[in-house]
Amino acid sequence: DAGVIQSPRHEVTEMGQEVTLRCKPISGHNSLFWYRQTMMRGLELLIYFNNNVPIDDSGMPEDRFSAKMPNASFSTLKIQPSEPRDSAVYFCASSLGGMADTQYFGPGTRLTVL
Amino acid sequence: GDSVTQMEGPVTLSEEAFLTINCTYTATGYPSLFWYVQYPGEGLQLLLKATKADDKGSNKGFEATYRKETTSFHLEKGSVQVSDSAVYFCARADGNNRKLIWGLGTSLAVNP
Repeated sequence: DAGVIQSPRHEVTEMGQEVTLRCKPISGHNSLFWYRQTMMRGLELLIYFNNNVPIDDSGMPEDRFSAKMPNASFSTLKIQPSEPRDSAVYFCASSLGGMADTQYFGPGTRLTVL
Repeated sequence: GDSVTQMEGPVTLSEEAFLTINCTYTATGYPSLFWYVQYPGEGLQLLLKATKADDKGSNKGFEATYRKETTSFHLEKGSVQVSDSAVYFCARADGNNRKLIWGLGTSLAVNP
């Protein structure tokens, strides 16, 4: 069975550029989560979708970040313009039910903004 | 407010040693509790969970018991292996199961 798929696995970009991270959740899962992980702040929930609808985006840092889920099998997280402090590992996760159901994480995208 | 507190790492043990990673939480009611593990270079994966007081979650030799009296969910393993080297995250659901509150993670290194 395919797990959560994220692309790219690594992204190196220059400050000011647009970055788009992609996620394909596990088929049949109703909830999708975007997380950011850094040494300084640990694991942070950025946004949570349920049935393709954003439920909680209180963790999105600022207007430079946006996330979409146009259908049940695809989501994007966009940063425009990117800044060096956005450098982190970004994880996508999905679950069958809601937040408290077992979350299945993708391998992550390591973003470096120079 | 609602929180999850884990013991600070890194924890360094020799192979076959006993492991305890402490986790305490603040909450109203009896939220579901979780331990997730992150192996190097990978995403997190569920290790075990408990959904009500006095439940014991177990998996891969790890155990944790939901203690409402002490609001704790400590992770234990009787004999660790080098392959257990990872970061361990304690988490709890909020009262409505609409949010997962994460601890900061505890890094474990097991030496041969």
